[in-house]
Order: sequence, then C-alpha cells, then structure tokens
Amino acid sequence: GENVEQHPSTLSVQEGDSAVIKCTYSDSASNYFPWYKQELGKGPQLIIDIRSNVGEKKDQRIAVTLNKTAKHFSLHITETQPEDSAVYFCAAVRGDTGRRALTFGSGTRLQVQP
Amino acid sequence: NAGVTQTPKFQVLKTGQSMTLQCAQDMNHEYMSWYRQDPGMGLRLIHYSVGAGITDQGEVPNGYNVSRSTTEDFPLRLLSAAPSQTSVYFCASSFQGRVNTGELFFGEGSRLTVL
Repeated sequence: GENVEQHPSTLSVQEGDSAVIKCTYSDSASNYFPWYKQELGKGPQLIIDIRSNVGEKKDQRIAVTLNKTAKHFSLHITETQPEDSAVYFCAAVRGDTGRRALTFGSGTRLQVQP
Repeated sequence: NAGVTQTPKFQVLKTGQSMTLQCAQDMNHEYMSWYRQDPGMGLRLIHYSVGAGITDQGEVPNGYNVSRSTTEDFPLRLLSAAPSQTSVYFCASSFQGRVNTGELFFGEGSRLTVL
C-alpha cells in the first residue's frame, strides 16, 4: 500500500519568514496530493491540493509543488503569520480506488513566532 | 449547516468497557469514515462507508465496529476498550467523487482515554 513520509515533525519560524514542509510517497499510481491544516482543538481542514499532472499550484501565500519523478511534494507558506501556527498534514490519494483513498503523513507542527 | 458533528468530545473509559462514538453529517455525503490520530503517526483510517448498508475496513480496524443504517449517521463502537485505543478520533465525510481527489470534511474530534 501507499506510504507517505513527512518532514520535519516540528518547524519554528519568525513571523514574515517562509516555511516549507516536505513529503514523499511510495505509490506511483497516486494522483492527488491534498494538504490539510489542523488548528488546536479542531479537525483537519483542506487548504490546497495538487494533481499529478501539475507541477505547481498557488493560492495567495500558499503554494504546493510536485515532483512526480522523485515522488515528492512540498507545501510552501510565504510571509508567515501567527495564525498560520497549526499542524499540517500531507496526503496522497490513489483516485481509482474510490474507497480507502487517502494516506496521510505524520504531520508537521508549525509555530510562527511573533 | 452543522457539517460533521461528533459526540462526545471527551470520554474516559476503564479497560473492558464498551462505548459508541457518534457521528452525524447534514451534507448528504455518501462517504463517511473514522480516523484515529496518534502522536507521530498522523491520521489512520479505521473503517469507512460508501453508503447506507455498506461498510469496509481501513488500515486499523481491530477492536472497532461500525454500521451505516442511514446516510447521515456513522457510529463507531468499541466493544471492549483497551489502553491502546486511547486516541483522538475523527469522523470525516465527503461526496464519493470528491474522496477520490482527497477532499474530506472532518468533525472536531472525540478524545478518548482508556485507563
């Protein structure tokens, strides 16, 4: 089955700096790569995703990149703000299964220092 | 819309006790699922359902039962709780087509402690 590894497990940055979280996956058949943000005491919430035929996608201060050959993808947050502090999860999806779907990484706790 | 509602938010059990975690969604989603979240291990799928009357096992199903009698509800049952089941449990739902692209809607979680 799919295996997703995520690094680092914790990340501390100063407000205004950039943050990068990296993930690798094992199943070459995975074709969607969502990112979830989990704020304290809340459930994860989808913030951005990328499809396997796209190399990069941006949404304001957030961008995701995908290297399908190397089987890794990354989340980039620019101009970080205190409200970006949360746990971030990457995931890989094999869209043809229709059932078990997502395999999550182990999570990255991002702390933005004001 | 309330979205995905989980109850209770907190529960303490003794080893061997049974309980049910409730999950309800009001978005008419076909797909519902249960995950457990443990430190350093991310989110692991316990059981899922693609419609009323249909359930299947995920990655870590042992010790848990589920049923899906209605589209809206997907309860998770612990028949004989063990300390290894101490965790935060999340219910998640979606339209079947959106699951295939990785979009899930999560509840706020239920923190279970088994002594």
